Amino acid sequence: EDQVTQSPEALRLQEGESSSLNCSYTVSGLRGLFWYRQDPGKGPEFLFTLYSAGEEKEKERLKATLTKKESFLHITAPKPEDSATYLCAVRTVKAAGNKLTFGGGTRVLVKP
Amino acid sequence: DVKVTQSSRYLVKRTGEKVFLECVQDMDHENMFWYRQDPGLGLRLIYFSYDVKMKEKGDIPEGYSVSREKKERFSLILESASTNQTSMYLCASSTQGAYGYTFGSGTRLTVV
Repeated sequence: EDQVTQSPEALRLQEGESSSLNCSYTVSGLRGLFWYRQDPGKGPEFLFTLYSAGEEKEKERLKATLTKKESFLHITAPKPEDSATYLCAVRTVKAAGNKLTFGGGTRVLVKP
Repeated sequence: DVKVTQSSRYLVKRTGEKVFLECVQDMDHENMFWYRQDPGLGLRLIYFSYDVKMKEKGDIPEGYSVSREKKERFSLILESASTNQTSMYLCASSTQGAYGYTFGSGTRLTVV
Protein backbone atom coordinates (compact mmCIF):
# COMPACT_ATOMS: atom_id res chain seq x y z
CA GLU A 1 0.00 0.00 0.00
CA ASP A 2 1.26 3.45 -0.95
CA GLN A 3 2.08 5.64 2.04
CA VAL A 4 2.98 9.30 2.39
CA THR A 5 4.12 10.74 5.72
CA GLN A 6 4.80 14.38 6.43
CA SER A 7 6.77 15.79 9.34
CA PRO A 8 6.58 17.72 11.49
CA GLU A 9 2.82 18.03 11.90
CA ALA A 10 3.22 21.66 12.95
CA LEU A 11 6.04 24.19 12.75
CA ARG A 12 6.29 27.59 14.42
CA LEU A 13 8.91 29.92 12.96
CA GLN A 14 10.05 33.45 13.57
CA GLU A 15 10.06 35.67 10.51
CA GLY A 16 13.38 35.11 8.73
CA GLU A 17 14.04 31.73 10.40
CA SER A 18 14.62 29.24 7.58
CA SER A 19 13.45 25.64 7.95
CA SER A 20 12.54 22.47 6.04
CA LEU A 21 9.46 20.28 5.82
CA ASN A 22 9.78 16.57 5.13
CA CYS A 23 7.65 14.27 2.99
CA SER A 24 8.67 10.62 3.03
CA TYR A 25 6.98 8.09 0.79
CA THR A 26 6.74 4.35 0.28
CA VAL A 27 5.28 3.63 -3.13
CA SER A 28 5.61 1.13 -5.91
CA GLY A 29 6.86 3.25 -8.79
CA LEU A 30 6.72 7.02 -8.41
CA ARG A 31 5.28 8.99 -11.32
CA GLY A 32 5.32 12.38 -9.65
CA LEU A 33 5.49 14.09 -6.28
CA PHE A 34 3.40 17.20 -5.73
CA TRP A 35 3.48 20.03 -3.20
CA TYR A 36 0.44 22.15 -2.38
CA ARG A 37 -0.21 25.09 -0.11
CA GLN A 38 -3.55 25.36 1.69
CA ASP A 39 -4.84 28.42 3.50
CA PRO A 40 -7.53 28.01 6.19
CA GLY A 41 -10.98 27.42 4.73
CA LYS A 42 -9.70 27.19 1.15
CA GLY A 43 -8.78 24.50 -1.34
CA PRO A 44 -5.13 23.50 -1.83
CA GLU A 45 -3.12 25.53 -4.31
CA PHE A 46 -0.55 23.82 -6.52
CA LEU A 47 3.12 24.69 -5.89
CA PHE A 48 5.46 22.16 -7.51
CA THR A 49 5.75 18.82 -9.28
CA LEU A 50 8.93 16.74 -9.04
CA TYR A 51 9.44 13.65 -11.19
CA SER A 52 12.87 12.19 -10.52
CA ALA A 53 15.49 11.99 -7.79
CA GLY A 54 17.83 14.98 -7.81
CA GLU A 55 15.24 17.32 -9.27
CA GLU A 56 14.72 20.72 -7.64
CA LYS A 57 12.09 23.44 -8.15
CA GLU A 58 11.98 26.97 -6.73
CA LYS A 59 9.34 29.62 -6.27
CA GLU A 60 10.07 32.77 -4.31
CA ARG A 61 11.11 31.63 -0.79
CA LEU A 62 10.21 27.97 -1.42
CA LYS A 63 12.45 25.26 -2.81
CA ALA A 64 11.42 21.63 -3.26
CA THR A 65 13.86 18.76 -3.64
CA LEU A 66 13.40 15.04 -4.27
CA THR A 67 15.33 11.90 -3.39
CA LYS A 68 14.35 8.27 -3.93
CA LYS A 69 12.57 8.10 -0.58
CA GLU A 70 11.63 11.63 0.41
CA SER A 71 11.08 15.21 -0.58
CA PHE A 72 11.92 18.39 1.28
CA LEU A 73 10.26 21.77 1.08
CA HIS A 74 12.73 24.40 2.20
CA ILE A 75 11.41 27.76 3.31
CA THR A 76 14.10 30.43 3.21
CA ALA A 77 13.69 33.58 5.32
CA PRO A 78 9.93 33.05 5.71
CA LYS A 79 7.44 35.87 6.07
CA PRO A 80 4.10 35.80 7.93
CA GLU A 81 2.29 35.38 4.59
CA ASP A 82 4.00 31.98 4.23
CA SER A 83 1.83 30.71 7.10
CA ALA A 84 -0.29 27.88 5.71
CA THR A 85 -0.62 24.11 5.64
CA TYR A 86 1.72 22.48 3.15
CA LEU A 87 0.58 19.21 1.61
CA CYS A 88 2.61 16.59 -0.19
CA ALA A 89 1.09 14.03 -2.57
CA VAL A 90 2.33 11.25 -4.84
CA ARG A 91 1.14 9.64 -8.02
CA THR A 92 2.27 6.09 -8.74
CA VAL A 93 2.56 4.06 -11.93
CA LYS A 94 -0.43 1.90 -11.01
CA ALA A 95 -2.71 4.75 -9.93
CA ALA A 96 -5.81 4.82 -12.10
CA GLY A 97 -7.12 8.10 -13.46
CA ASN A 98 -4.26 10.23 -12.15
CA LYS A 99 -5.20 9.49 -8.54
CA LEU A 100 -2.99 11.17 -5.91
CA THR A 101 -2.27 9.95 -2.39
CA PHE A 102 -1.81 12.76 0.13
CA GLY A 103 0.19 13.08 3.31
CA GLY A 104 -1.31 14.59 6.46
CA GLY A 105 0.23 18.00 5.91
CA THR A 106 2.49 20.34 7.91
CA ARG A 107 0.92 23.45 9.48
CA VAL A 108 3.39 26.32 9.33
CA LEU A 109 2.98 29.47 11.41
CA VAL A 110 5.42 32.31 10.82
CA LYS A 111 5.38 34.96 13.54
CA PRO A 112 6.53 38.53 12.84
CA ASP B 1 -7.95 31.93 -15.25
CA VAL B 2 -8.80 28.25 -14.99
CA LYS B 3 -11.30 27.30 -12.37
CA VAL B 4 -12.94 24.56 -10.41
CA THR B 5 -16.14 25.87 -8.91
CA GLN B 6 -18.01 24.26 -6.05
CA SER B 7 -21.58 25.41 -5.80
CA SER B 8 -21.67 26.08 -2.06
CA ARG B 9 -19.07 27.22 0.47
CA TYR B 10 -21.15 26.28 3.50
CA LEU B 11 -24.07 23.87 3.88
CA VAL B 12 -26.08 22.76 6.89
CA LYS B 13 -28.26 19.69 6.41
CA ARG B 14 -30.32 17.45 8.65
CA THR B 15 -29.62 13.80 9.34
CA GLY B 16 -31.29 11.60 6.73
CA GLU B 17 -31.48 14.27 4.02
CA LYS B 18 -30.24 13.57 0.52
CA VAL B 19 -27.44 16.04 -0.21
CA PHE B 20 -25.99 17.09 -3.56
CA LEU B 21 -22.58 18.74 -3.86
CA GLU B 22 -21.87 20.16 -7.28
CA CYS B 23 -18.54 20.79 -8.94
CA VAL B 24 -17.87 22.37 -12.34
CA GLN B 25 -14.54 22.84 -14.12
CA ASP B 26 -13.83 24.95 -17.19
CA MET B 27 -10.51 23.40 -18.24
CA ASP B 28 -11.79 20.49 -20.34
CA HIS B 29 -10.10 18.11 -17.90
CA GLU B 30 -10.77 14.39 -18.22
CA ASN B 31 -10.31 13.52 -14.56
CA MET B 32 -12.37 14.76 -11.63
CA PHE B 33 -12.16 13.87 -7.96
CA TRP B 34 -14.02 14.22 -4.68
CA TYR B 35 -12.05 14.28 -1.42
CA ARG B 36 -13.04 14.91 2.12
CA GLN B 37 -10.66 16.57 4.56
CA ASP B 38 -10.81 16.07 8.31
CA PRO B 39 -8.41 17.19 11.04
CA GLY B 40 -5.82 14.53 11.73
CA LEU B 41 -6.95 12.39 8.78
CA GLY B 42 -5.81 14.52 5.86
CA LEU B 43 -7.39 14.29 2.41
CA ARG B 44 -9.18 11.04 1.67
CA LEU B 45 -10.45 10.12 -1.77
CA ILE B 46 -14.15 9.35 -1.99
CA TYR B 47 -14.72 8.84 -5.73
CA PHE B 48 -13.12 9.84 -8.98
CA SER B 49 -14.03 9.85 -12.64
CA TYR B 50 -11.71 9.66 -15.65
CA ASP B 51 -14.38 10.13 -18.29
CA VAL B 52 -18.02 11.03 -18.75
CA LYS B 53 -20.31 8.46 -17.15
CA MET B 54 -17.26 6.63 -15.72
CA LYS B 55 -16.63 6.45 -12.00
CA GLU B 56 -14.28 4.65 -9.68
CA LYS B 57 -14.44 4.16 -5.92
CA GLY B 58 -11.77 5.80 -3.87
CA ASP B 59 -10.69 4.90 -0.37
CA ILE B 60 -13.89 5.83 1.50
CA PRO B 61 -16.90 5.51 -0.87
CA GLU B 62 -19.39 4.16 1.69
CA GLY B 63 -22.42 6.41 2.08
CA TYR B 64 -21.64 8.36 -1.11
CA SER B 65 -22.40 8.15 -4.80
CA VAL B 66 -21.41 10.29 -7.77
CA SER B 67 -22.70 11.37 -11.14
CA ARG B 68 -20.86 12.62 -14.19
CA GLU B 69 -23.26 13.20 -17.07
CA LYS B 70 -21.16 15.93 -18.67
CA LYS B 71 -17.41 16.33 -18.86
CA GLU B 72 -17.34 19.58 -16.93
CA ARG B 73 -19.60 18.55 -14.03
CA PHE B 74 -19.05 16.03 -11.25
CA SER B 75 -21.62 15.68 -8.50
CA LEU B 76 -21.23 14.04 -5.10
CA ILE B 77 -24.38 12.65 -3.53
CA LEU B 78 -24.90 11.78 0.10
CA GLU B 79 -27.84 9.38 -0.09
CA SER B 80 -28.84 9.78 3.56
CA ALA B 81 -26.68 12.29 5.39
CA SER B 82 -25.26 11.33 8.76
CA THR B 83 -23.40 13.35 11.38
CA ASN B 84 -20.15 11.51 10.61
CA GLN B 85 -20.26 13.03 7.14
CA THR B 86 -19.73 16.49 8.59
CA SER B 87 -16.53 17.55 6.85
CA MET B 88 -14.81 19.78 4.32
CA TYR B 89 -15.44 18.42 0.82
CA LEU B 90 -12.97 19.27 -1.92
CA CYS B 91 -13.45 18.78 -5.63
CA ALA B 92 -10.47 18.66 -7.99
CA SER B 93 -9.77 18.10 -11.65
CA SER B 94 -6.75 17.19 -13.75
CA THR B 95 -5.78 16.36 -17.27
CA GLN B 96 -4.32 12.98 -18.25
CA GLY B 97 -0.70 12.31 -17.44
CA ALA B 98 1.34 12.85 -14.32
CA TYR B 99 0.02 16.30 -13.59
CA GLY B 100 -1.29 17.80 -10.40
CA TYR B 101 -4.81 18.78 -9.54
CA THR B 102 -6.65 22.06 -9.60
CA PHE B 103 -8.85 22.25 -6.53
CA GLY B 104 -12.08 24.06 -5.84
CA SER B 105 -12.50 26.24 -2.78
CA GLY B 106 -14.26 23.51 -0.83
CA THR B 107 -17.70 23.01 0.71
CA ARG B 108 -17.92 22.83 4.47
CA LEU B 109 -20.85 20.54 5.19
CA THR B 110 -22.39 20.27 8.64
CA VAL B 111 -24.95 17.53 9.27
CA VAL B 112 -27.07 18.11 12.36
